[in-house]
Amino acid sequence: EVQLVESGGGLVQPGGSLRLSCAASGFTFSTYSMNWVRQAPGKGLEWISYISSSSGAIYYTDSVKGRFTISRDNAKNSLYLQMNSLRAEDTAVYYCAGWVTSARGAFDIWGRGTMVTVSS
Amino acid sequence: EIVMTQSPATLSVSPGERATLSCRASQSVSSTLAWYQQKPGQAPRLLIYGASTRATGIPARFSGSGSGTEFTLTISSLQSEDFAVYYCQQYNNWPPSLTFGGGTKVEIK
Repeated sequence: EVQLVESGGGLVQPGGSLRLSCAASGFTFSTYSMNWVRQAPGKGLEWISYISSSSGAIYYTDSVKGRFTISRDNAKNSLYLQMNSLRAEDTAVYYCAGWVTSARGAFDIWGRGTMVTVSS
Repeated sequence: EIVMTQSPATLSVSPGERATLSCRASQSVSSTLAWYQQKPGQAPRLLIYGASTRATGIPARFSGSGSGTEFTLTISSLQSEDFAVYYCQQYNNWPPSLTFGGGTKVEIK
């Protein structure tokens, strides 16, 4: 069974840092690109970052460029998101997600999410 | 950036009735359009990709249509488990961005 499990969320002060992790199982993680998608409380979905299977291609949405860093460790079947200079507007549930059997760009695998709250 | 607009924001439907949800793109996305269902406290679930291809395990009562800038998700006969929020998402402008619509909540009438 394909499974993604996020961890590392919590309460952090504005300007602080947090590192999210996503543990993958049930598929050959090293051959698939991965993403982070977030959802602010009561709001819609927002794609924020992509990393290719080999880490050779990385993209970010404009609002997190220069503050967030996506990375992966294929030996550990893990995806990461280092979040620095956090702002109140970064408060959201963060999902790791990818496309395995669907089309490139259509997310057919999702974790359950981890909540990040940025507040003083 | 391609902006995705969904309508209506809320759709009230009785069980067994048909539901029709709309999604409009600010510019053509060809057929690179996906639909997701999200229930409270859960992650989104992919229903449709390529505008009309059902994802693995999705019941036939869900169908997608459209191309270019106008898309529709139809649920032919609403079941109790279908009351949820539905999002469309374009992946034509990829890389570097993927954008979602604001969602349509399907509620019990």
